Amino acid sequence: GAVVSQHPSRVICKSGTSVKIECRSLDFQATTMFWYRQFPKQSLMLMATSNEGSKATYEQGVEKDKFLINHASLTLSTLTVTSAHPEDSSFYICSAMAGKTGELFFGEGSRLTVL
Amino acid sequence: SQKIEQNSEALNIQEGKTATLTCNYTNYSPAYLQWYRQDPGRGPVFLLLIRENEKEKRKERLKVTFDTTLKQSLFHITASQPADSATYLCALDQGTGRRALTFGSGTRLQVQP
Repeated sequence: GAVVSQHPSRVICKSGTSVKIECRSLDFQATTMFWYRQFPKQSLMLMATSNEGSKATYEQGVEKDKFLINHASLTLSTLTVTSAHPEDSSFYICSAMAGKTGELFFGEGSRLTVL
Repeated sequence: SQKIEQNSEALNIQEGKTATLTCNYTNYSPAYLQWYRQDPGRGPVFLLLIRENEKEKRKERLKVTFDTTLKQSLFHITASQPADSATYLCALDQGTGRRALTFGSGTRLQVQP
């Protein structure tokens, strides 16, 4: 199956700093990638849809200036959490569709801890 | 409002038995429904997709049913094994041409040896 790689898998940062998370499709091109966030024992919440070469589409309630998304190529999307605060601590997961069948392929996730 | 409901209580079964998990939804008109497996600290892994015009789909020990009248999907694992222990998530497309999926909260399955 298609492989999506996410980096870093874990990151700890100080409050007020910015953190960048990368999501790569390794064996396919992804014109669209999705960023999800997951709190402990809760479901995945869609944050935004990342479109190659255009602006991301953010879900209601997600601050676009807080969570910057860049999808500069067909294999790479990045999520930057700007001026991170402890409440931003969460598990961030990216995903992409390979082909038109509808299933998503997920990265391994990035656990962010903001001190 | 839109809801996707999965039993939040963990399901504990004996090895070899069939596990049945439920996904109910309201105020969606999905073109398809999907099931994923998630292990702790990992990203979800795709298992099965069933379309609105399909009633049942099978893959090895897995079976999914989809009743668009009841707005319900059932996910079955036959001859369950301890390695099947995980959280299982159902997901719907938003039915408006958007490709993003919305996920239920998942049901934790524990298969006892």
